[in-house]
Amino acid sequence: GIQVEQSPPDLILQEGANSTLRCNFSDSVNNLQWFHQNPWGQLINLFYIPSGTKQNGRLSATTVATERYSLLYISSSQTTDSGVYFCAVNQAGTALIFGKGTTLSVSS
Amino acid sequence: NAGVTQTPKFQVLKTGQSMTLQCAQDMNHNSMYWYRQDPGMGLRLIYYSASEGTTDKGEVPNGYNVSRLNKREFSLRLESAAPSQTSVYFCASSQQSHTDTQYFGPGTRLTVL
Repeated sequence: GIQVEQSPPDLILQEGANSTLRCNFSDSVNNLQWFHQNPWGQLINLFYIPSGTKQNGRLSATTVATERYSLLYISSSQTTDSGVYFCAVNQAGTALIFGKGTTLSVSS
Repeated sequence: NAGVTQTPKFQVLKTGQSMTLQCAQDMNHNSMYWYRQDPGMGLRLIYYSASEGTTDKGEVPNGYNVSRLNKREFSLRLESAAPSQTSVYFCASSQQSHTDTQYFGPGTRLTVL
């Protein structure tokens, strides 16, 4: 089945710093989503982005489907950005496959 | 709108006991899902329901059963709990099966002793 690898596994930042999280996948996909799991365990969908670029406030994402990767950019990080960021992909008619996540810690 | 709700939030079982996790969504979504999350791993799909009246196995269905009670509700049952089923369980819903943004409930933390 399709493999999803996220890097880095852990990231520690000072408040105000920028960061880039990467998601590589092993085959072509129809769907790619980025999720944030906050320290209380709640999962929030950030982007539905099978291709192209999207922005939402300080967060943006780019997926280059032909090269099988996606990037999540966090600018001017805040302590509330802490948590685990998951990338998930699927092909037509199949279930989402999640990566193992990137754990982000932002300190003030 | 409450979105996706799950009950209970926490549960402790003894090996061999049974229980049902409840999930409901108020977004009029067609598809619903049950995932489990284990430490250091992403989420893995247990079962899903593409539409009312249908259910299908996901990646890790052994030891579980599901019921799509109606369009709003999708329950997960553990018939004879095992310590390997200690995990956090998430319910999710989406408008269309597998191709759409998924919205998650708050999770149920289950411990099997």
